[in-house]
Parts: sequence; structure tokens; C-alpha cells
Amino acid sequence: QSALTQPASVSGSPGQSITISCTGTSSDFGNYNYVSWYQQHPGKAPKLMIYEVSKRPSGVSNRFSGSKSGNTASLTISGLQAEDEADYYCYSKRSDKRYVFGTGTKVTAL
Amino acid sequence: EVQLVESGGGLAQAGGSLRLSCAASGITFSNFWMAWVRQAPGKGLEWVANINKDGSEKYYVDSVEGRFTISRDNAKNSLYLQASSLRVEDTAVYYCGRYGDYGWGLLDYWGQGTLVTISS
Repeated sequence: QSALTQPASVSGSPGQSITISCTGTSSDFGNYNYVSWYQQHPGKAPKLMIYEVSKRPSGVSNRFSGSKSGNTASLTISGLQAEDEADYYCYSKRSDKRYVFGTGTKVTAL
Repeated sequence: EVQLVESGGGLAQAGGSLRLSCAASGITFSNFWMAWVRQAPGKGLEWVANINKDGSEKYYVDSVEGRFTISRDNAKNSLYLQASSLRVEDTAVYYCGRYGDYGWGLLDYWGQGTLVTISS
């Protein structure tokens, strides 16, 4: 049960778009496409940003979007803002019905 | 307002046991799958276990299988994690989370976490 692979860090200038990848095996994603993304600020609990690959919960900015191609899911933040600086984690339901998080990505607004 | 409040964390010796609790309010607890997620100091999130609405289905990460037991008491709106044979590497903040019912596989509410420290 290895974690999904994410880049350790991604940075961008305010206003730019950045993309975080989340790579696993076919077993890591199963046939479910139940990939979600979480934002975590230091010392805080995670916050749901995207679910079922590309759906946004109520209240989450439309600057956040998700997609998936093959065994790689992606989170894109458009119009990067200082408040978006945080750690981001992908999360997926595996084919064996267990779940796995990604390794996490630190986002920095330069 | 949905609230999840964890308790039961603290300092324990390697080989010992702890029972974590998560009290839910503002929801019909029995309608939701629930999960435990942990985060070691300075590390990433790790899914630990989850349980279905009536407690009949339970799943665990390999590293805790056979040592941890997830359970729930719907009459008390509470989720539990019995952690035994504790190891130093179990040191982490433990969060409980609710799986939302408007989609699949999403944790839409989280508690504030309870810190478990295991000493050798």
C-alpha cells in the first residue's frame, strides 16, 4: 500500500496557474474514479477541495479544478493567490476498497 | 453545525494501548461512513481505517491491520479507534472524518485531531 506520488513542491507567481499531479497504479484508482483533493494549512485539519475527480463542493472557489487521465489525477489552481499557499493531498479509493493518500505537495506563491 | 471532536490521545509506551474517540454532533451519525486518518509530525496524511454505517464493514491500512480496531456506537453518535501493540511509528495526530453523502469517497468534515505520542 504505497502512497500516490505527488511532486514535493510546486510554486508560481500570483495570478498564474499551477498544476499538481497525482500518480498511481490502476489498482490505486480501481474502477471508481473516487479521487478527491484536500488543502491543509499548517496546524489545521484538511479541507475538501475537489471530489470525484472534478467536482467542487459548495463554497470552494472555481479557481480550483480537477481532472484525470489514465493513472494520473491532477489539481489545477488558476489565478494563484497568497491564501492558496498550503499543502495539497490527493486521495483515492483503491480496487480493494481501501483508501490511499498522495505524498503531498507544498504550494508556494512566489 | 456539523462537529467532530476527537479525544483520548496522549502519551503511551510502545507495546501499550489507547482508545481514541470521536464525538459527532449536528448530523444523523448513523447515515454516514466514517474514517480515521493520521499525520505523523512533519509528514503527510495517511488513511488508517474506515467503517460503514452500521459497523458491519471495516477496512484498514496494512500497517495497523491486526493491531487497531475501528468501531462505532450509533446510539452515542461516536466513532472509536482501539489501538493496541503501539509502535513508535504510530506517533501522529489522529483525525476522524465523515464521508459525505453527496458523492463518493469524499471526506467533507474533519475533527481538529488528537495527538498520540508513543515512547520507546
